[in-house]
Amino acid sequence: EPEVTQTPSHQVTQMGQEVILRCVPISNHLYFYWYRQILGQKVEFLVSFYNNEISEKSEIFDDQFSVERPDGSNFTLKIRSTKLEDSAMYFCASSANRDEQYFGPGTRLTVT
Amino acid sequence: GENVEQHPSTLSVQEGDSAVIKCTYSDSASNYFPWYKQELGKRPQLIIDIRSNVGEKKDQRIAVTLNKTAKHFSLHITETQPEDSAVYFCATRETSGSRLTFGEGTQLTVNP
Repeated sequence: EPEVTQTPSHQVTQMGQEVILRCVPISNHLYFYWYRQILGQKVEFLVSFYNNEISEKSEIFDDQFSVERPDGSNFTLKIRSTKLEDSAMYFCASSANRDEQYFGPGTRLTVT
Repeated sequence: GENVEQHPSTLSVQEGDSAVIKCTYSDSASNYFPWYKQELGKRPQLIIDIRSNVGEKKDQRIAVTLNKTAKHFSLHITETQPEDSAVYFCATRETSGSRLTFGEGTQLTVNP
């Protein structure tokens, strides 16, 4: 059964540095998402992407964040200048329609 | 925006008993209601979902009920097993959007 994959599994970075989190969505899916989960808390929506553009974003997704689909398989989340409060688990998800969103294993981002 | 409340926050049952988790939502435009199971350190896993044109859906030991008038939906797990132990999240998606809004989660513990 196809799954969403993400790399790296864990990323440690210093405050102010740029990070890029990578995702490979399920191959026939058209909608792509990033969510984050601070340890012990609920999952929070960041952004959705469809037809090569952002379709929806939350108030968390400010100018420090960007997403890109650089080729036919990868979907990336870039944080330009990381802050301590960006430390969280970042999940990529994909779906064939807007329902049934399947999540990747996550990237644990630690900002020191 | 949408607000999803989930109860209880923790639930402990004996193996073989039933477990019920309830969620209420605020946005009457929501029309898709998935449930996710998240084991410790793992990805949220979609276990069942329901759409607003249906009142109940069942999949083996798991069922979901929806009351659109009252804006609440529930997850029912029968004949619980220790491997059902996890955090369960409800979520909603409104008709025109793509984001999932999650509840705070319920830690279910099934005692052998």
